[in-house]
Amino acid sequence: GAVVSQHPSRVICKSGTSVKIECRSLDFQATTMFWYRQFPKKSLMLMATSNEGSKATYEQGVEKDKFLINHASLTLSTLTVTSAHPEDSSFYICSAGALTRQETQYFGPGTRLLVL
Amino acid sequence: SQQGEEDPQALSIQEGENATMNCSYKTSINNLQWYRQNSGRGLVHLILIRSNEREKHSGRLRVTLDTSKKSSSLLITASRAADTASYFCATDERGAQKLVFGQGTRLTINP
Repeated sequence: GAVVSQHPSRVICKSGTSVKIECRSLDFQATTMFWYRQFPKKSLMLMATSNEGSKATYEQGVEKDKFLINHASLTLSTLTVTSAHPEDSSFYICSAGALTRQETQYFGPGTRLLVL
Repeated sequence: SQQGEEDPQALSIQEGENATMNCSYKTSINNLQWYRQNSGRGLVHLILIRSNEREKHSGRLRVTLDTSKKSSSLLITASRAADTASYFCATDERGAQKLVFGQGTRLTINP
């Protein structure tokens, strides 16, 4: 099946620093990638939809200047948490929709961010 | 916004029993999907059922969809300890590729 990777899997950073998370589709091309945030024992909340070669579409309440998304190629999207604060600590998960099977999304393993 | 409501929020049963989880949604959909998530891990796609389908099977999984009631159920038969996980339903609003997830059911299978 289709594989999506995320890097890093876990990151600890100091408050005020920026953290970049990469999401890659390893064996398929993805015109669209999605970024989710998940708090402990909660569901996934869609943050933004990332389209290759264009600006991301953010969900209501998500600060686009805080969570920078870049989708530079058909296999890579990045999420940068700028000036991270402890309240940004969360589990971030990406998913990718394949060109040929757009109704199916393939999820990455997630990145756990802890901001001290 | 989260449109899916799942019921129950938590379910604990004995190994070998069947587990049923329900999901309700609010808007018109193209399809509904069920995912599984082990603690601290990513999501694993289990099954997709289209809006024109009523029932679908995959191994020990059985999914039903009632579009008139805007609800779906996931049945896991002959449960195993390894089935312990959180299960989420997700719907795609018609015309949009993005998924909206339910709140999830935490399933615990006791050996």
